[in-house]
Amino acid sequence: EPEVTQTPSHQVTQMGQEVILRCVPISNHLYFYWYRQILGQKVEFLVSFYNNEISEKSEIFDDQFSVERPDGSNFTLKIRSTKLEDSAMYFCASSDAAGGGTGELFFGEGSRLTVL
Amino acid sequence: AQSVAQPEDQVNVAEGNPLTVKCTYSVSGNPYLFWYVQYPNRGLQFLLKYITGDNLVKGSYGFEAEFNKSQTSFHLKKPSALVSDSALYFCAVRDSGRGSTLGRLYFGRGTQLTVWP
Repeated sequence: EPEVTQTPSHQVTQMGQEVILRCVPISNHLYFYWYRQILGQKVEFLVSFYNNEISEKSEIFDDQFSVERPDGSNFTLKIRSTKLEDSAMYFCASSDAAGGGTGELFFGEGSRLTVL
Repeated sequence: AQSVAQPEDQVNVAEGNPLTVKCTYSVSGNPYLFWYVQYPNRGLQFLLKYITGDNLVKGSYGFEAEFNKSQTSFHLKKPSALVSDSALYFCAVRDSGRGSTLGRLYFGRGTQLTVWP
C-alpha cells in the first residue's frame, strides 16, 4: 500500500539553527500538508500546499517557516531559526483530488524535532 | 470557530467488551468527520469518515462511528474490543462550508484506549 514517508525520524538541533524536514507524499496525490503535535497537545495544522503554492497557513506558520516542493516528489518544511517551542512531532500528509473536500489525509510517521 | 472535544483522556475496557470513544464537534457549516488512530511511534492512520448519508459509518478493524447532528457528536464504537486496539484515537473535523480549507483538519486532544486482557 502506498505510504507517506518522512525523514529524519528524529532530529536534535541547537536553538537558532536551521532545520529541514523532508517528506515524500503518495505519488498521485495533489494536496500536501504539514501538521505538528507538541508533546501532550493536539495535532495542529501548519500549512497546506497545492499547485506549487501555499493554499492556507495557520497562525503558527510564521516567517520562520517555509515549504517547498523542489523536485516534484519531495515536500519539505524548513524552519529557519529554531526556537525551543518548535520542539514537536511534525507530520506530513497528502491527499488526492478529493482531499480538498471529502477525502481523507494520509499521514507519515512523523519527524520528531528536539530543540536544545 | 471549528473545534473538536474528546472529553475522555483515557478509556479502559476489558477485551471482548464493547468500547466507545466520545467526540463532539463545532463547525459553522456541515461537518466532515474523521477518526484516526495512532500506535506508539507511528503516524496517524485513517479509520473512518462521515461525509453524508447514513449516520452509521463503518471503518477499518471493525470500528464504526455514529453521526448525531442534534448532539453534534461522532462517537467511535466497536462491539468487541481487542488488546491490539490499544492506541491513541483522534477525532477530527473539517468544515465543508469553507471551500478554501483544502484539507485542513481540526483535531481533538486524543483519547488513549487501553484494552486489558
